[in-house]
Amino acid sequence: AQSVTQPDIHITVSEGASLELRCNYSYGATPYLFWYVQSPGQGLQLLLKYFSGDTLVQGIKGFEAEFKRSQSSFNLRKPSVHWSDAAEYFCAVGARGGSYIPTFGRGTSLIVHP
Amino acid sequence: EADIYQTPRYLVIGTGKKITLECSQTMGHDKMYWYQQDPGMELHLIHYSYGVNSTEKGDLSSESTVSRIRTEHFPLTLESARPSHTSQYLCASSVKTGGSYNEQFFGPGTRLTVL
Repeated sequence: AQSVTQPDIHITVSEGASLELRCNYSYGATPYLFWYVQSPGQGLQLLLKYFSGDTLVQGIKGFEAEFKRSQSSFNLRKPSVHWSDAAEYFCAVGARGGSYIPTFGRGTSLIVHP
Repeated sequence: EADIYQTPRYLVIGTGKKITLECSQTMGHDKMYWYQQDPGMELHLIHYSYGVNSTEKGDLSSESTVSRIRTEHFPLTLESARPSHTSQYLCASSVKTGGSYNEQFFGPGTRLTVL
């Protein structure tokens, strides 16, 4: 079975600063990897996904993530954070084939200071 | 833009009441899911469905039931609400392409409070 760890419960950054949110996964093969964002009172919205190919993935809202197989990581990055990026961010891992029930991390809450 | 809807968005109800949370999607997705989400916690899978007349239990399914009579509709029912059911409930759907399911599309959620 797969698992996901998001080591940071909260991250605080200043507006305009760079951002990196960490995600580590456990899975026996190459997984499907996702980052979702959740604004208060809303559902989750997909930021980006990795299925195969280029390990640097571009997403919406200026986010990117890099799949590093050797480190079992899929960290989310943004070069310059905007106040509107304040939200909860979830990393998820899905198994290829089969029933595909993705596993979510506990989330990282991003706080943006003006 | 994903089209998946949940009603009601907010619900306050007394202990012992029977409630049904509605979820509908207009994307024709075959697979649908219900998650329970508490603050600071991961999403817990309650039920899922592969398609019409298919329902499967997840991790927290023992106190709720679902049905899938139509592709677009996947309601969740709590037969007897308890304060421990107070939480946010998220519905999601996904479609199978290339042999595997892709990303999930989520509804806005139902915030349930049981007094």
